[in-house]
Amino acid sequence: AQTVTQSQPEMSVQEAETVTLSCTYDTSENNYYLFWYKQPPSRQMILVIRQEAYKQQNATENRFSVNFQKAAKSFSLKISDSQLGDTAMYFCAFKISGGSNYKLTFGKGTLLTVNP
Amino acid sequence: KAGVTQTPRYLIKTRGQQVTLSCSPISGHRSVSWYQQTPGQGLQFLFEYFSETQRNKGNFPGRFSGRQFSNSRSEMNVSTLELGDSALYLCASSFQQGNTEAFFGQGTRLTVV
Repeated sequence: AQTVTQSQPEMSVQEAETVTLSCTYDTSENNYYLFWYKQPPSRQMILVIRQEAYKQQNATENRFSVNFQKAAKSFSLKISDSQLGDTAMYFCAFKISGGSNYKLTFGKGTLLTVNP
Repeated sequence: KAGVTQTPRYLIKTRGQQVTLSCSPISGHRSVSWYQQTPGQGLQFLFEYFSETQRNKGNFPGRFSGRQFSNSRSEMNVSTLELGDSALYLCASSFQQGNTEAFFGQGTRLTVV
């Protein structure tokens, strides 16, 4: 079974600064995907960024980037130039590639507050 | 292009009743998954449907069931409601099974009193 751990229940950052959210996971699978989802107060889960395990290059989406360390089973999210609209719950998630079980396994989440 | 639509947005039910939640996926998407979100347990997978067939099921009692129609719309049903069933129920749709990207609806907030 896969597990995803987010060790920071809450974090805060000043507007325009950079913040890093941590995520570790445990799996015996070799092919999988990792995701960061954002859930603002509106409740809708929004995909922020994804990483294929077979890719060594870290994924980047505008102000969002990841540090994927496969051997260490670590997948952190860096948010640069933080904006007030980044305030939300952030969930790290894991999904096996291939096979027949396509469920997402989520961490408990990190509540990020961006302060003006 | 319309997103994933879940109805109703809010629901209050009494213990022992049953409830049906609806999810309309993005047009053209054939895979629908359901998740339960609670403060204590976080996000937990309920089940996944593809082409009207349940493909995967999470670790939930038989009171939780679902189905998918030929137009890919999905419903989930919870019978004999318990207080612990109070949660945000999220639906996610994907074009195919195993697609890397799942699009979520805004959820249905179920309160059992």
